[in-house]
Amino acid sequence: GIQVEQSPPDLILQEGANSTLRCNFSDSVNNLQWFHQNPWGQLINLFYIPSGTKQNGRLSATTVATERYSLLYISSSQTTDSGVYFCAVEERNTPLVFGKGTRLSVIA
Amino acid sequence: DVKVTQSSRYLVKRTGEKVFLECVQDMDHENMFWYRQDPGLGLRLIYFSYDVKMKEKGDIPEGYSVSREKKERFSLILESASTNQTSMYLCASSLWPVRGRGLPYSNQPQHFGDGTRLSIL
Repeated sequence: GIQVEQSPPDLILQEGANSTLRCNFSDSVNNLQWFHQNPWGQLINLFYIPSGTKQNGRLSATTVATERYSLLYISSSQTTDSGVYFCAVEERNTPLVFGKGTRLSVIA
Repeated sequence: DVKVTQSSRYLVKRTGEKVFLECVQDMDHENMFWYRQDPGLGLRLIYFSYDVKMKEKGDIPEGYSVSREKKERFSLILESASTNQTSMYLCASSLWPVRGRGLPYSNQPQHFGDGTRLSIL
């Protein structure tokens, strides 16, 4: 099946810093989502982005489907951005496959 | 907004008990999913359903069963709970059928509930 690799596995940032999280996948996909799991375990949809670029406030994401990767940008990070960021992909007519996540800690 | 509701945030049960985890969605979604999440292993799919009374095994179905009698509700059942089933359980739903039934495939995002932290003692 499709493989999803996220990097880095862990990231520590000073409040106000910018960061880039990467997701590589091994095959063509019909769906790619970025999620944020907060410290309470809630999994929040950030982006649905099988291709192209989207922005939502301080967050933006770019997926280059032909090169099989996606990037999540966090600008001016805040302590509330802490948690685990997951990338998940879906091939045609198959359920989502998740990466292992990037654990982000933003310190004041 | 899509609302996926899991019946309990925290649950403690004993080994050997039959355990029911309930999930309800309010957006008339076709697909519903059950995952478990464990440290170092990420999210793994247990079962999913693309229609009422339909179910398909995911990556780790052993020790679990599911029930989907109504479109909005998807239940996960631990037939005889064991300590290795202590985990965080997450339910999700999405709009279009994962298994095509002559319908054009349409990419739709999955939406998750808040999760149930289940401890088996």
